[in-house]
Amino acid sequence: AQKITQTQPGMFVQEKEAVTLDCTYDTSDPSYGLFWYKQPSSGEMIFLIYQGSYDQQNATEGRYSLNFQKARKSANLVISASQLGDSAMYFCAQRRGGSEKLVFGKGTKLTVNP
Amino acid sequence: GEEVAQTPKHLVRGEGQKAKLYCAPIKGHSYVFWYQQVLKNEFKFLISFQNENVFDETGMPKERFSAKCLPNSPCSLEIQATKLEDSAVYFCASSPESKSGNTIYFGEGSWLTVV
Repeated sequence: AQKITQTQPGMFVQEKEAVTLDCTYDTSDPSYGLFWYKQPSSGEMIFLIYQGSYDQQNATEGRYSLNFQKARKSANLVISASQLGDSAMYFCAQRRGGSEKLVFGKGTKLTVNP
Repeated sequence: GEEVAQTPKHLVRGEGQKAKLYCAPIKGHSYVFWYQQVLKNEFKFLISFQNENVFDETGMPKERFSAKCLPNSPCSLEIQATKLEDSAVYFCASSPESKSGNTIYFGEGSWLTVV
């Protein structure tokens, strides 16, 4: 069964600094996708970044990058130059090849301090 | 449309009443998903559709929950005889294809409060 683990219930970072949010997954499938979503206090789910299991390079989207270590089954999100608006819940999720639903971790609450 | 549209945004029901939520997926997306999120914590998968067909219903509490995606109509999630523990945000999401790499886009959610 798929399991996504986010070990950090809460994280704090100073504005303009970088922060890494951890995510590990457990699957025996060779084909899968890894996703990060941001959920601000307003409640909507915002897609941030995607990494495919066969991708050779780590995904990047603006200030977001994904540190993908396949052998360790980890897909950590790195946010560079944190902004106050980055304060939110962050969810890691996996989508298994051949099965279409996303399986989510429990989330990490990020607080950016001025 | 260009976004997943969910209605209503907020719904209050007395315990035992019926609740019905609606979702219009992004145009051209063939997969629709329903998730339940309690107290902004864990996401529980409920059911997914491939067009109008149920694809995966492993998360559905079948006794009181039902869902449909009919052609040319919004998808719906219905809860018969609501209970207090059904209070949650219900997210609908859609995806264009059935490959692991395609992003699933979420609606803004429908907040159900059972009193």
